[in-house]
Amino acid sequence: DMKVTQMPRYLIKRMGENVLLECGQDMSHETMYWYRQDPGLGLQLIYISYDVDSNSEGDIPKGYRVSRKKREHFSLILDSAKTNQTSVYFCASSFRGDTEVFFGKGTRLTVV
Amino acid sequence: QQKVQQSPESLTVSEGAMASLNCTFSDGTSDNFRWYRQHSGKGLEVLVSIFSDGEKEEGRFTAHLNRASLHVSLHIREPQPSDSAVYLCAMSIPRIFFGDGTQLVVKP
Repeated sequence: DMKVTQMPRYLIKRMGENVLLECGQDMSHETMYWYRQDPGLGLQLIYISYDVDSNSEGDIPKGYRVSRKKREHFSLILDSAKTNQTSVYFCASSFRGDTEVFFGKGTRLTVV
Repeated sequence: QQKVQQSPESLTVSEGAMASLNCTFSDGTSDNFRWYRQHSGKGLEVLVSIFSDGEKEEGRFTAHLNRASLHVSLHIREPQPSDSAVYLCAMSIPRIFFGDGTQLVVKP
């Protein structure tokens, strides 16, 4: 079953707290992504990972970091969350960077 | 400059009428395009992938690619209310760039 799983689906955090968003895929895909999606701004790439410990900044990496210690697992970390990081975060994976991308269902993060 | 631009921003059609969505891109070197659909509150699902000029059909969804005019379109035949969603165009060079989407509403 080809799937990208995100946990949790909904999260409310206070400003300044640390946030961990987790993502797993069962397709042995090399490439994984973290996006955020905001009304009027579309999908914005935060980080891309080409394999274990091979991560690159996307378009909006400031305030975020990632961890990929296993091919099937990719985490997004917000150290000291800010209110402007309230968004829907999508994890995605693909076999390579130019192949079909499979998306998770998203995590709705609210920072208050 | 945004690499992928979609039009219109929103589109309302009646059930059964053809829906046409457009996407223009700034990089003519890509030969790797996809259309994705996103229902409200859900993730994205791929509808059609197209890698050469011409037409590619997947069920009721047909993509047309014309790289010379930097244009790819999506046509939805006999749209149904369940097709109401945001449709996103994506280009890989090879990094993927998404458009901002077209909100499609299909009225019964």
